[in-house]
Amino acid sequence: AQSVAQPEDQVNVAEGNPLTVKCTYSVSGNPYLFWYVQYPNRGLQFLLKYITGDNLVKGSYGFEAEFNKSQTSFHLKKPSALVSDSALYFCAVRGLGGSYIPTFGRGTSLIVHP
Amino acid sequence: EPEVTQTPSHQVTQMGQEVILRCVPISNHLYFYWYRQILGQKVEFLVSFYNNEISEKSEIFDDQFSVERPDGSNFTLKIRSTKLEDSAMYFCASKEEGHPNEKLFFGSGTQLSVL
Repeated sequence: AQSVAQPEDQVNVAEGNPLTVKCTYSVSGNPYLFWYVQYPNRGLQFLLKYITGDNLVKGSYGFEAEFNKSQTSFHLKKPSALVSDSALYFCAVRGLGGSYIPTFGRGTSLIVHP
Repeated sequence: EPEVTQTPSHQVTQMGQEVILRCVPISNHLYFYWYRQILGQKVEFLVSFYNNEISEKSEIFDDQFSVERPDGSNFTLKIRSTKLEDSAMYFCASKEEGHPNEKLFFGSGTQLSVL
């Protein structure tokens, strides 16, 4: 079975500082990994994904994520946080060759303070 | 960017009542999904739907749940006899067939409260 863990309910960071939102996964075989963001009163929006290739994936709004196979992690990062980045962030995984349905984590609330 | 629309945004119902949650997927999308998130827990997959039939469902999606695409635009989730533990945020999502990114487009959710 595939699963995702987002160990932090909330991440607080000051505007202008780098941010990291953590995600670890468990899946059989090679993973598809995703990050989605949910702003208030909106649906989840796709940010970025990793399929294969370069371990550092760049996505929307200046976000990037680093795939680390040995640590089974896919942490979301941004060099300089904006107040407007405050939102709920969801990590998801799908195993290649397995179910086509991505499994999501519980979400991490990112709060960027001015 | 096109959006998935869900109605209502909030639904309050009594235990044992039937509820129908409605979704309008993006018009050229062919794969449809329902997920739910109980407060503080993971976003859980319920069911996927393609070509007018269920393609995959989770253990949560028991006989009390059903989905329908009645008119080619709406995609509904029905809970026949709601339980307290059905209280959750329900998300509808859709996906364009063969899209290389495989990204899902989500609605903003329906918060279901069962009293």
